[in-house]
Amino acid sequence: DAGVIQSPRHEVTEMGQEVTLRCKPISGHDYLFWYRQTMMRGLELLIYFNNNVPIDDSGMPEDRFSAKMPNASFSTLKIQPSEPRDSAVYFCASSYRDRGRDTGELFFGEGSRLTVL
Amino acid sequence: AQKITQTQPGMFVQEKEAVTLDCTYDTSDQSYGLFWYKQPSSGEMIFLIYQGSYDEQNATEGRYSLNFQKARKSANLVISASQLGDSAMYFCAMREGESNYQLIWGAGTKLIIKP
Repeated sequence: DAGVIQSPRHEVTEMGQEVTLRCKPISGHDYLFWYRQTMMRGLELLIYFNNNVPIDDSGMPEDRFSAKMPNASFSTLKIQPSEPRDSAVYFCASSYRDRGRDTGELFFGEGSRLTVL
Repeated sequence: AQKITQTQPGMFVQEKEAVTLDCTYDTSDQSYGLFWYKQPSSGEMIFLIYQGSYDEQNATEGRYSLNFQKARKSANLVISASQLGDSAMYFCAMREGESNYQLIWGAGTKLIIKP
């Protein structure tokens, strides 16, 4: 099975531009998470979805950030307008609930490295 | 207070030696789960091992084992017979509660295996 697929892997943009990061979760997974990783703040949960519905977006830094999950196989994280402090690696992860083995293990994509100049 | 504490920012270990990476946690929930992830220099996050709070035996996965000491609230990762490919960042994480899917992450430990 394919893992979580993220695109682009690398993005360099200028301050003020719109950035869209994409994620395809593992088929059959019903949870999707967006994380941001920086040296200063470590891994931060931005938002997560269950069955395409946003459950908790309290980690979204501000209104410039938005996330959508129009269907079970696709999600986007959008930053508009982008700022240099948004530079980070953005991870998408997916998970499922198996009643027989409910570990809640997250399966991560390879990340999208964003640089805002 | 930190929910997950990894006190070792970095470690150097000789190849083939065993390694213990420390993790302590803080929760008032009776049901929780503890995870270890590996992040090599390529950047991806790789799940290693899981321990549930009700599991009576320490979890093991190949060369990885989790030394779970509930009373001390510690969940140390033990890597036996370390290999050069074990060089990476290692993160401890905790999930609180039965249906909570959010993970609380530690700051990580950078492990370098010396040949």
